[in-house]
Amino acid sequence: AQSVTQPDIHITVSEGASLELRCNYSYGATPYLFWYVQSPGQGLQLLLKYFSGDTLVQGIKGFEAEFKRSQSSFNLRKPSVHWSDAAEYFCAVGHPSPGRRALTFGSGTRLQVQP
Amino acid sequence: EAQVTQNPRYLITVTGKKLTVTCSQNMNHEYMSWYRQDPGLGLRQIYYSMNVEVTDKGDVPEGYKVSRKEKRNFPLILESPSPNQTSLYFCASSLRPPAYSNYGYTFGSGTRLTVV
Repeated sequence: AQSVTQPDIHITVSEGASLELRCNYSYGATPYLFWYVQSPGQGLQLLLKYFSGDTLVQGIKGFEAEFKRSQSSFNLRKPSVHWSDAAEYFCAVGHPSPGRRALTFGSGTRLQVQP
Repeated sequence: EAQVTQNPRYLITVTGKKLTVTCSQNMNHEYMSWYRQDPGLGLRQIYYSMNVEVTDKGDVPEGYKVSRKEKRNFPLILESPSPNQTSLYFCASSLRPPAYSNYGYTFGSGTRLTVV
């Protein structure tokens, strides 16, 4: 079955440290890939997306993500985390298949930032 | 401002009392969808709509109804709510079906529903 896995439920980093959030998917072909962020009490906001082309994509708020076909991964990174980055992050995958038109979301990774 | 508007933000109701959560978008998007978010389960799709008068079930449709009489509106109806429908609900819209495009979703701010 098609699936999206975010192995880390909860991550804590210090402010100023680097960050990498993992996302793996299981699909036969390259899907459309997204990262969303959900701040407390808010809806989900699109951080970045991958469709084709350059495998390193830049997003808002200083985030980037790298698509690695061989590993079926689309990990989110940020060189230096700010306290305002504390939120929940969702990886999502869109893959056209019969009867399937929606995005499939991972279960999310909650990021805590220590001062 | 381009946005998806959901109402209400918070709702506490009793088992069996019909309720409607409204969703409206001002971006002329064709595709609209309802998700529920539960801890550890991420977002699961309830229903979606490809366009006016075209709706279909998502992954967890039981106990819910939707309608799409106008392009901008996509209300979620719980005719007989039960406690297992206590959840955080999101409406989302997209110019095209997200699985076939790279547009992604625009989400509403969410409706936290508690059924007692």
